[in-house]
Amino acid sequence: GAGVSQSPSNKVTEKGKDVELRCDPISGHTALYWYRQSLGQGLEFLIYFQGNSAPDKSGLPSDRFSAERTGGSVSTLTIQRTQQEDSAVYLCASSSSSAGAGTQYFGPGTRLLVL
Amino acid sequence: DQQVKQNSPSLSVQEGRISILNCDYTNSMFDYFLWYKKYPAEGPTFLISISSIKDKNEDGRFTVFLNKSAKHLSLHIVPSQPGDSAVYFCAASANGANSKLTFGKGITLSVRP
Repeated sequence: GAGVSQSPSNKVTEKGKDVELRCDPISGHTALYWYRQSLGQGLEFLIYFQGNSAPDKSGLPSDRFSAERTGGSVSTLTIQRTQQEDSAVYLCASSSSSAGAGTQYFGPGTRLLVL
Repeated sequence: DQQVKQNSPSLSVQEGRISILNCDYTNSMFDYFLWYKKYPAEGPTFLISISSIKDKNEDGRFTVFLNKSAKHLSLHIVPSQPGDSAVYFCAASANGANSKLTFGKGITLSVRP
């Protein structure tokens, strides 16, 4: 079946502009996660959705970052007034309760470059 | 404070030999551990996992060992194949299903033909 998809695959933007990143989870997966990976670093947790609600937003680095999920499916991560330090690969993952505790399946990521 | 540590950034092994990838953690609340494999320009792919109630889990050529007292886990790949060359991430979660993962920085494995 189809895996997690993300769009765009690459995004180049100018400092100060807003960007929207999209994630389409595996059909039927109730949990959705956003992570980011900066150069030479591991994946850093940003936010977790269970259905449409976000019980854990603890990883969002600033109030410029926000995310929503509608219909228990597609999620959008928005970064306002982008800064150069926002440059990273943004990864989305989804999981279901039947996938085994903690088993998350990742999309290919969106590579964001802020000039 | 890094809660999951992969202290070796890279490992090179000969094809057919064993690859041993190590991971240490500091948070005693972690109860589930996973290994992901990542190729360039792709998202991480789930490889194998282990619950804290076990000390070993095996899946084909891949075995994960967990030493809770030492807060250490390792991934063994036997025999190693050139296609195993990738970045391997160790990850951990607390409080069971649908919990956020905390990742190490990864280790780059190169398997020489």
